[in-house]
Amino acid sequence: QSVLTQPPSVSGAPGQRVTISCTGSTSNIGADYDVHWYQQLPGTAPKLLIYGNNNRPSGVPDRFSGSKSATSASLAISGLQAEDEADYYCQSYDSSLSASGVFGGGTKLTVL
Amino acid sequence: QVQLQESGPGLVKSSETLSLTCTVSGGSISSYYWNWIRQPPGKGLEWIGYIYYSGSTNYNPSLKSRVTISGDTSKNQLSLKVRSVTAADTAVYYCARWGRTVTTDWYFDLWGRGTLVTVSS
Repeated sequence: QSVLTQPPSVSGAPGQRVTISCTGSTSNIGADYDVHWYQQLPGTAPKLLIYGNNNRPSGVPDRFSGSKSATSASLAISGLQAEDEADYYCQSYDSSLSASGVFGGGTKLTVL
Repeated sequence: QVQLQESGPGLVKSSETLSLTCTVSGGSISSYYWNWIRQPPGKGLEWIGYIYYSGSTNYNPSLKSRVTISGDTSKNQLSLKVRSVTAADTAVYYCARWGRTVTTDWYFDLWGRGTLVTVSS
C-alpha cells in the first residue's frame, strides 16, 4: 500500500484532457508539503514533470499542469498526444514516517 | 550536463549483500543530496534513502535495518548496500539527485537510467 493514492489507470482520446489524482493525508500533502510529478515512459527512468505543485521544468510542454488542495493534488494533461502514454507518479514528504520521499502507486495513462 | 550511471552485479544470491555504485559525471556530488530509489518489475517506485555530500544519511524506515548508503567525493560516486536480500529486493535500482528552489520542497530532478538486480535462490 502506497502512502499516496493514485488511480491505477486513466485513458483519453487524442486531443482530450485528462486528470490524475493523488490523495494523501494530514502528515504529507495536508501538512503543506509540496507535491511533485514524474513521467515514466515505457522502459525508461522516471523524469521530473512538475515540481513544487505547479511548476514545469524547462522543456516540459505547458499541456501539463499541476494543482494542490487540502490533502490531495492533481496532474492535468490537455491536448492529449500519443506520446503522453506513460506511467505517472506523484511524490511528497511524510512527516509521520520521517520518509523523505513517498510516492503514489502510479497511474497508467492510455491514449486511445 | 550532469549524468548519473548505476553499476553493479545484475544477479545476487538470496541472503547475500547487494552492492551498487552510482557514478556522477559532468558535475560534482558536493553540495547536493543523492538518493537511491528502486522499482520492482511491474510495480511502483520506492525511496530507499539519501546521502548528503557531507556524509549525513536518511533511510526509509522500512529498509533502514538492512541498508547503507555511502559516498566518495574523490571518485564522485555514491554506493548502496542492501544486506540479507530476498526475492522481494529484485528491482531496478535508480540513483537520483535532489533539487529544490527557494520556494519548493526537495524533488528528484535528475535520474540515472537504472540497473536491474535480480535476487536468486
